[in-house]
Order: sequence, then C-alpha cells, then structure tokens
Amino acid sequence: RKEVEQDPGPFNVPEGATVAFNCTYSNSASQSFFWYRQDCRKEPKLLMSVYSSGNEDGRFTAQLNRASQYISLLIRDSKLSDSATYLCVVNGRTGTASKLTFGTGTRLQVTL
Amino acid sequence: NAGVTQTPKFQVLKTGQSMTLQCAQDMNHNSMYWYRQDPGMGLRLIYYSASEGTTDKGEVPNGYNVSRLNKREFSLRLESAAPSQTSVYFCACKNYPNTEAFFGQGTRLTVV
Repeated sequence: RKEVEQDPGPFNVPEGATVAFNCTYSNSASQSFFWYRQDCRKEPKLLMSVYSSGNEDGRFTAQLNRASQYISLLIRDSKLSDSATYLCVVNGRTGTASKLTFGTGTRLQVTL
Repeated sequence: NAGVTQTPKFQVLKTGQSMTLQCAQDMNHNSMYWYRQDPGMGLRLIYYSASEGTTDKGEVPNGYNVSRLNKREFSLRLESAAPSQTSVYFCACKNYPNTEAFFGQGTRLTVV
C-alpha cells in the first residue's frame, strides 16, 4: 500500500464549479499535512497547510481526519487558473529529520 | 529572493557518463532534500540531509551519491548514468520539523 494515496483524476470541471479532492495516508504517526499545487513542468508550491480543526483560505478549504487518516481539499467557484495538479503531502519523522511523502497528485482541468 | 536554486535546468547525458546536480538555498534552512519525479510515480525521496554534515538515504538512493557541502549547498551526483535515471530532479529545503518545504525549479535530465 502506498504511504499517501490520491485519485489521479483528471477532474474536468466547468468554471464556477465546486470540486473536492481526497487523500489517505498509511502512517498514523504522521505529524503534519499539506496540499501543494504543481503547474505543468514547474516545481511544487505550497497551497495550504492542513489542520485537524480545518482551515480555509479564500476559495480553498482543507480538512484533516486523523482517526480515518484522511485529508481533503475543497475548491469553490473554480477558476481557469486553478487548473493544475494538486499534491497531498504528509510529514513524518525519520531518524534525525522530518520527511515529506507525496501522493502522486490529482490533476484538475477547469474549462469554460 | 532566490530561495532554492538548481543548476543545470536541463541536461542530456549518455549512458555511463557522470554528472553533479547542484542545489543552493539562501533561506538559512537546516534540512535539504533531493527528489525525483516520474510520470505516475509522484515525487520520491532520493537522499536528504537533516543538517550540515549529515546525509541519509531516502526511498530510491541506488545510483546516486550526495554531498552536503555547507549549510547552503547540497549536491547530487550520478556516477554512471543509466536510462532509468531519466527524470525531473527537485531539490528542496525546510527548516523546522512540521513546516513546509520549498523547492527549486528542477533539473530535467535525459539519459540516452
């Protein structure tokens, strides 16, 4: 079983739609969680951190369920510029360092 | 603010050639990482360095070596390149254990 699993998509949605991505992780000792965005042929960039209490940043809402080892990202009022791959990222400790483990990503295509 | 700088951005090697990928960060972060990204595989950790003077293997270390030259620089060496090492390589840095990582722009390597 992969440490971090995501539906690869693609999710094709019209502009203005609401879309949700899900992610599960296998290591119950994981300590912190993130969503990154990656545009085609670019480096991953942090979209938002994910907290147990849930957090919102404009049109984006992230949720963490530690009991179910499940992370979600909700995008409301999708824009064309939201088209990208969204990476679920889990942070755990290994030896003397913390290590980020990435899901394979969910591709979103927003259309007119 | 440069952040994380990788050189070169593109490289074509012949099988058996060697090369070093360079990474430098001006964020004063303690930990540095090398990932490779292949289609359908997500980002996989090759090597990491928790702090200056330490390095450890990640998920896919075979065929690679690293050097943490100082706090700013972390290089990745391919001693004898193989076609299976054709990939996009990303360097990243992070500071505190539960914080996000920042990525360089990537090196696109093709081994023929």
